[in-house]
Amino acid sequence: GEDVEQSLFLSVREGDSSVINCTYTDSSSTYLYWYKQEPGAGLQLLTYIFSNMDMKQDQRLTVLLNKKDKHLSLRIADTQTGDSAIYFCAGANYSSASKIIFGSGTRLSIRP
Amino acid sequence: DTGVSQDPRHKITKRGQNVTFRCDPISEHNRLYWYRQTLGQGPEFLTYFQNEAQLEKSRLLSDRFSAERPKGSFSTLEIQRTEQGDSAMYLCASSSGAVETQYFGPGTRLLVL
Repeated sequence: GEDVEQSLFLSVREGDSSVINCTYTDSSSTYLYWYKQEPGAGLQLLTYIFSNMDMKQDQRLTVLLNKKDKHLSLRIADTQTGDSAIYFCAGANYSSASKIIFGSGTRLSIRP
Repeated sequence: DTGVSQDPRHKITKRGQNVTFRCDPISEHNRLYWYRQTLGQGPEFLTYFQNEAQLEKSRLLSDRFSAERPKGSFSTLEIQRTEQGDSAMYLCASSSGAVETQYFGPGTRLLVL
């Protein structure tokens, strides 16, 4: 089955760019997602990318997908204190698109 | 559109008691999902409904767990004879199915003493 791995922590200075990386194992993953979770809250869908795309940009967010290496990244430009949260990488297969497989999350902390 | 709502937000219970959680999806979303999230982990899929039909269940969903969506709108998740290992955040999500993007509710945090 699908396995999604992420580094546990990332610390960046306010105003710098944050890059959160993720690797996945299922090459048939059709949808790849980034979710954000603030303390005590549910998950907020930030963005998603279809497997036939290499890049997607949405305001301060840029998603890069390397299908050959099964590597997904999320870049947050001009990181702000409000970006402090846990970021989950996740994947789903079209044939079983009911089930999203999540990584363990990367905790992003912002230092002044 | 008020988003996915869940009730209660927090529940403390004693081991052996039964608990029931409710999820109200985004209106007109025909798909509804339950996930469980333990501390320091990502959510794990439990079960999925399309309208009122329960189409998939994870092996994580032991026979003490039951979920229903009787009219294809709100859903309930019941845990019978709770155990301390059931302590977790229970998340509900819904989607329209046009694109597989699932929108999550705030979750119900369960603590079993």
